[in-house]
Amino acid sequence: GQQLNQSPQSMFIQEGEDVSMNCTSSSIFNTWLWYKQEPGEGPVLLIALYKAGELTSNGRLTAQFGITRKDSFLNISASIPSDVGIYFCAGQHLSVWAPGNTGKLIFGQGTTLQVKP
Amino acid sequence: DTEVTQTPKHLVMGMTNKKSLKCEQHMGHRAMYWYKQKAKKPPELMFVYSYEKLSINESVPSRFSPECPNSSLLNLHLHALQPEDSALYLCASSQESSPRLFFGEGSRLTVL
Repeated sequence: GQQLNQSPQSMFIQEGEDVSMNCTSSSIFNTWLWYKQEPGEGPVLLIALYKAGELTSNGRLTAQFGITRKDSFLNISASIPSDVGIYFCAGQHLSVWAPGNTGKLIFGQGTTLQVKP
Repeated sequence: DTEVTQTPKHLVMGMTNKKSLKCEQHMGHRAMYWYKQKAKKPPELMFVYSYEKLSINESVPSRFSPECPNSSLLNLHLHALQPEDSALYLCASSQESSPRLFFGEGSRLTVL
């Protein structure tokens, strides 16, 4: 099925560094979400974005809904070892937010983050 | 801690076995989902239940049979699976018409 372009694929950084990752789509989304998944666990919702241009923070995490509705980024400031995991963006099309298509998300391929203490 | 509970956490089964995965949520969500996830890949949608009725089946083979006995429970019945069906099976729930999905920790399935 359709997928989002998420980059980078992986990152290996030093503790304390800032991290940035993004997702792009060829079509418009009306919702963007960012999830984190740790080994052996299910994805955990970090941030949800509903309006073009929206900038939302959750602790050291900041995400933005691109003004064109076709992209989103996630920043992590001052990374720590427990930030390791796979970060997935997920989007929902305007055209599929209708009865019967509840919550049908399109996921990016994920960004694997490793943090060196 | 997740509010979506999945059992068992691990399951090993032969290709002729019949087994079931179970999922439970008590958040009052009326939409529940099954996803399949291979290692280092994004989750792939399998089924969506909305108000206990199957609303989406993403062309999943019939050896996977979902069931939603009530608004809090979701089962996935497994029969005659193939080794390539080995994966992490994730259950999720959401409020109706909301894109905010809450995932369980998953059931790791190995088919021998």
